[in-house]
Amino acid sequence: NAGVTQTPKFRILKIGQSMTLQCTQDMNHNYMYWYRQDPGMGLKLIYYSVGAGITDKGEVPNGYNVSRSTTEDFPLRLELAAPSQTSVYFCASSSPGLAGGPDTQYFGPGTRLTVL
Amino acid sequence: DAKTTQPPSMDCAEGRAANLPCNHSTISGNEYVYWYRQIHSQGPQYIIHGLKNNETNEMASLIITEDRKSSTLILPHATLRDTAVYYCIVVGGATNKLIFGTGTLLAVQP
Repeated sequence: NAGVTQTPKFRILKIGQSMTLQCTQDMNHNYMYWYRQDPGMGLKLIYYSVGAGITDKGEVPNGYNVSRSTTEDFPLRLELAAPSQTSVYFCASSSPGLAGGPDTQYFGPGTRLTVL
Repeated sequence: DAKTTQPPSMDCAEGRAANLPCNHSTISGNEYVYWYRQIHSQGPQYIIHGLKNNETNEMASLIITEDRKSSTLILPHATLRDTAVYYCIVVGGATNKLIFGTGTLLAVQP
């Protein structure tokens, strides 16, 4: 298993440009997540999905959109890039926990995005 | 979800045990304690989790106090590759949302 893969690894955008960050998992996990991490800070949840066709907002969703048409893929879209979106973006996936408990999330290697 | 408090940084000598504390005084009965770590520039990696009892796996041990208000992650024989930021996270029983603080930067010294 490749686990969670993300592309691209690095990207520089100009203000106002748009792009899609790709995330794919091959573990047949129902749940998928997008986080961002600013320098020296912990990760913040942007959006998450509990299954194909279902998405919901996290802590910091403004400026982003997501879709989940398949179990494997969970792309994150930036429509009008702003300098405040300069960050490292991590995708994660998980399966529902046993006995109703939470589950373990598996993270991808991240995409480092700079908006100039 | 309950908030956690961790020291910002700790040092540990290579080969010695690293004991990383975490306070979670407002934890509720159905919330779990999870530990993740993040080696520089990589995605976070799951280490261990527990509800009430102490837990051990191939990576670490987790000691949870009887009142569940604090816990300690133990790396029994720290190596240089264990240098990372360690996050203690309390997660509710019905939610998978992880709320990351700033964690503890563990520096393992040769």
